[in-house]
Amino acid sequence: GAGVSQSPSNKVTEKGKDVELRCDPISGHTALYWYRQSLGQGLEFLIYFQGNSAPDKSGLPSDRFSAERTGGSVSTLTIQRTQQEDSAVYLCASSKTLDGYTFGSGTRLTVV
Amino acid sequence: KQEVTQIPAALSVPEGENLVLNCSFTDSAIYNLQWFRQDPGKGLTSLLLIQSSQREQTSGRLNASLDKSSGRSTLYIAASQPGDSATYLCAPRGDDKIIFGKGTRLHILP
Repeated sequence: GAGVSQSPSNKVTEKGKDVELRCDPISGHTALYWYRQSLGQGLEFLIYFQGNSAPDKSGLPSDRFSAERTGGSVSTLTIQRTQQEDSAVYLCASSKTLDGYTFGSGTRLTVV
Repeated sequence: KQEVTQIPAALSVPEGENLVLNCSFTDSAIYNLQWFRQDPGKGLTSLLLIQSSQREQTSGRLNASLDKSSGRSTLYIAASQPGDSATYLCAPRGDDKIIFGKGTRLHILP
């Protein structure tokens, strides 16, 4: 597609439930990134996929968070047993190797 | 580890003024630097991308400069307009992921 697509745009979930957030990057972009932005805060790096290399998971805040990227394209970020502090906007970006980033519009997650 | 500092953290100026946003970064081994704007509740929109071999890039009323050796970049906005109100983020790109600073919140007063 023309841009990075994220779904859903908004998600409200009950504390303790699992959620899946989806990112569809720009076709041909080998790198895919997940960031999180809590209210009024900066962007926090979560995880980075580059081609077939092992992902850089150094930013994942706990083992409740995981992500996969299937076929080098679509990525899913999974949060298990959600907590209220997980409420944030989750942003996905993609790029060609060492090129500029293109961001999606984000998924606003609210844990109640 | 790359650290990014943006000064000022917030800025309010009357419409029509020219202004400069500053960005400094600690690791000068970068491939490029990108400036983004973020509107409240929205994603990031890319404004300018400067490759490490370049000194500046221009797009309309925006001009970004890069001094890689000193770890500095500036974003110059000419003839500011209320629609320029947003948070501006600079993003130096090293070998892998970008670490973002906290940005500059810009408010243009009508």
